[in-house]
Amino acid sequence: GEDVEQSLFLSVREGDSSVINCTYTDSSSTYLYWYKQEPGAGLQLLTYIFSNMDMKQDQRLTVLLNKKDKHLSLRIADTQTGDSAIYFCPKGGSQGNLIFGKGTKLSVKP
Amino acid sequence: ETGVTQSPTHLIKTRGQQVTLRCSSQSGHNTVSWYQQALGQGPQFIFQYYREEENGRGNFPPRFSGLQFPNYSSELNVNALELDDSALYLCASSFRDREETQYFGPGTRLLVL
Repeated sequence: GEDVEQSLFLSVREGDSSVINCTYTDSSSTYLYWYKQEPGAGLQLLTYIFSNMDMKQDQRLTVLLNKKDKHLSLRIADTQTGDSAIYFCPKGGSQGNLIFGKGTKLSVKP
Repeated sequence: ETGVTQSPTHLIKTRGQQVTLRCSSQSGHNTVSWYQQALGQGPQFIFQYYREEENGRGNFPPRFSGLQFPNYSSELNVNALELDDSALYLCASSFRDREETQYFGPGTRLLVL
C-alpha cells in the first residue's frame, strides 16, 4: 500500500471546523508535517509535530498524533474560504526527503 | 513567502528536447531537494543536493540530473524529454541537520508536447 494515505476530498461550510486525516504504513519519521497547496502554487509549510508529541496547537490549527495507530490529523478551527486548498501530510524518508500522499482537497462553502 | 525562488515559472518544450530549471535557496539553507508533481498527485522526490553533491535520489532515470553551486542554488536538468515529464517541478531548501523540514518554491510548470 501507499506510505501515506489520505482521503481525497473534504467539503465544509465556512465557520465550521475541518478535520483532515492521514494514515502511515509506518511512523518512523522523526517529524510529521502539514503542507498547504493553493491552485497552481508551491507548498506552504503550515506546521509540524515531533514524533514523541501527541498534540500541537498553532492558532487555528491543532495537530493530533496517535503513534500507535499511525494516524495524524489536522483540525482547522473556524474554517475560512481562504483555507480552500490541497493539504498534504508527508513523512520523512530515508534520504532526507519527504514522502507524500495524494493530498486532501478541502473545499469551503460560504 | 519562503524566500525560495524558481525560474522560469512556465515552460513549453517538445519531446526529445532538453530543459534546465533553476532554484535559489532560502537564505542560510544549504540543502536543496527537487520534486516532480504530476497533475492530481503528490510530489515525488527526484534528488537532493548538499555541498554540491547528490545526497539522495528517488526512482527517476539518469536523464534527470542536477547541480548545486557554492551559493547553494541549484539546477535540475532533464534530457530527452518525454510527454510524461509534463508536471510541476518543485524545489525545496532546508538545513542539513533538519533536511526533512523543507521550504518550497512556487514551482516551474513544464509542458512537453
